Amino acid sequence: GAVVSQHPSWVICKSGTSVKIECRSLDFQATTMFWYRQFPKQSLMLMATSNEGSKATYEQGVEKDKFLINHASLTLSTLTVTSAHPEDSSFYICSAGTFFGPGTRLTVT
Amino acid sequence: DAKTTQPPSMDCAEGRAANLPCNHSTISGNEYVYWYRQIHSQGPQYIIHGLKNNETNEMASLIITEDRKSSTLILPHATLRDTAVYYCIVRPGGPYNTDKLIFGTGTRLQVFP
Repeated sequence: GAVVSQHPSWVICKSGTSVKIECRSLDFQATTMFWYRQFPKQSLMLMATSNEGSKATYEQGVEKDKFLINHASLTLSTLTVTSAHPEDSSFYICSAGTFFGPGTRLTVT
Repeated sequence: DAKTTQPPSMDCAEGRAANLPCNHSTISGNEYVYWYRQIHSQGPQYIIHGLKNNETNEMASLIITEDRKSSTLILPHATLRDTAVYYCIVRPGGPYNTDKLIFGTGTRLQVFP
């Protein structure tokens, strides 16, 4: 079946730095991908819709200048957490079509 | 907001069938029912989806009521590896639709020996 990958699977960064997370659809093209965030013991919360060749659409309450999304090709979307702070520590998950990536665990120290 | 209601938790003995209910009383005619599960610290895993007919695959069966206001996911022979949070989601269109999936709180299934 279709596979969605994410890189890295986990990352630790210092407060104030930026972190980029990649999401790839491995055997199909995806004009639309989605980014979710999940805090411990909570459900997945949709952050934004990544659109190939155009601007991302952000959910209410998600800062677009902090969470930069780029969907430069039909198989790759990136999420950059800018000026990360400890409260940004979370599990970030992308999806394409029906399938989800394995997630990226971000810890900001 | 999620358009489904699920019990927060359920237990099931290993080897027995696990029946996970979901209410989606406001489902629209073009909305499919999707089931996913999430094992701790992993991304959600697609299980099955359906529109109005019952569906079965190698993982599970999906029973949708005739009025489509509720459904049940059946894991016929639960194993310890089926312990996970199970999410029932309604969304327009089939698997190639690009609409977003909105997650509710799901059901935490605990399979015990």
